[in-house]
Amino acid sequence: QSVLTQPPSVSAAPGQKVTISCSGSSSNIGNNYVSWYQHLPGTAPKLLIYDNNKRPSGIPDRFSGSKSGTSATLGITGLQTGDEADYYCGTWDSSLGVVFGGGTKLTVL
Amino acid sequence: QVQLQESGPGLVKPSETLSLTCTVSGGSVSSGSNYWSWIRQPPGKGLEWIGYIYYSGSTNYNPSLKSRVTISVDTSKNQFSLRLSSVTAADTAVYYCASLQFEYSSGWGWFDPWGQGTLVTVSS
Repeated sequence: QSVLTQPPSVSAAPGQKVTISCSGSSSNIGNNYVSWYQHLPGTAPKLLIYDNNKRPSGIPDRFSGSKSGTSATLGITGLQTGDEADYYCGTWDSSLGVVFGGGTKLTVL
Repeated sequence: QVQLQESGPGLVKPSETLSLTCTVSGGSVSSGSNYWSWIRQPPGKGLEWIGYIYYSGSTNYNPSLKSRVTISVDTSKNQFSLRLSSVTAADTAVYYCASLQFEYSSGWGWFDPWGQGTLVTVSS
């Protein structure tokens, strides 16, 4: 079981919006920044969001991040078939070190 | 642009030691703000952090793996390495190396970039 809880799967139609939640506790998300990663099987995971809501250069503004209390959320608007991937949240835990969510599989219907 | 590439045996026997190397190109392992990391993903499961090392040799390991893990760095070769001892089938996974971009103001950071990953199977 992962320390951070994500829904196993989400789905939406092309052009629509989807959100992926990441729930933790005061020992991790509640007191540390969250980052989000996109992973297509067989490829290197890619950083989408860091410091809760910042986008690296080259990441479109269709991707957004937010944090409230002990939960974080990744939002994706204008869904494209190329967005189909696994998405992971990650942060620091005061006892465990780096922790990740279990991952969420996004299906673009 | 920094790129990372994992290398090492794809098959390791139970009870033996898994050894992998990550070669850094387009940048230096001696870069002050980078911590060099190993992360793995067992088949059908999520990501698990293994540990990281600073170019000075300072390390931090996942408590659940700490007794079996050693991460080292070779600045002359611009590489860092992972050794995981006494492996079992549960250690079968895709192993990724990644750069942890450390942010001193927050005491934490983010992983970017990552290597492509290498599958290591533990089997006799």
